[in-house]
Amino acid sequence: EIVLTQSPGTLSLSPGERATLSCRASQSVSSSYLAWYQQKPGQAPRLLIYGASSRATGIPDRFSGSGSGTDFTLTISRLEPEDFAVYYCQQYGSSPEYTFGQGTKLEIK
Amino acid sequence: QVQLQESGPGLVKPSGTLSLTCAVSGGSISSSNWWSWVRQPPGKGLEWIGEIYHSGSTNYNPSLKSRVTISVDKSKNQFSLKLSSVTAADTAVYYCAKRSTWSPFDYWGQGTLVTVSS
Repeated sequence: EIVLTQSPGTLSLSPGERATLSCRASQSVSSSYLAWYQQKPGQAPRLLIYGASSRATGIPDRFSGSGSGTDFTLTISRLEPEDFAVYYCQQYGSSPEYTFGQGTKLEIK
Repeated sequence: QVQLQESGPGLVKPSGTLSLTCAVSGGSISSSNWWSWVRQPPGKGLEWIGEIYHSGSTNYNPSLKSRVTISVDKSKNQFSLKLSSVTAADTAVYYCAKRSTWSPFDYWGQGTLVTVSS
């Protein structure tokens, strides 16, 4: 099983600032099958990034993903008020276990 | 645009069986997609439970495999989850979700809370 560890657990920033979220895998994620999701209270997760760096349909370009192997990063260039939420990384290359990280809560400072 | 809607009892007794259905609209369940169940205990993270292809092929989370059955009903364009021998630890919001092969979950249901309690 690939274990994903996200850091930090909580990130406190202000609107307009840059956010950098990390996801580290216990072993290499094949073909960069790494995704990022955003989840707001009471809502289902929303796909942001797939293939480590490709934005999903309709996702603003202030969201970007990078990384390969075992280290991945989600960057939000300039935080908007609606970006404060919980973010999860997920690997989907190691069938049949599609594991998620434990989440990073992005809160308003 | 595909839409997913979970339904089923919101309360299940300990040692009983949790049963949920996910209705698929806006697309055919017989398309080249995998149909999954994901759960989230209150205040905690996401856990993938398992998935099914329209052919009936399934993949399950090894930690839950002995208690999980996922089935598909192509005539009703829906798929279902059964989780047996439930305990309080199975209390969670249960989501159904869709993914294409070698892709992440791109469509999700709104989720349904299932509480295990006597």
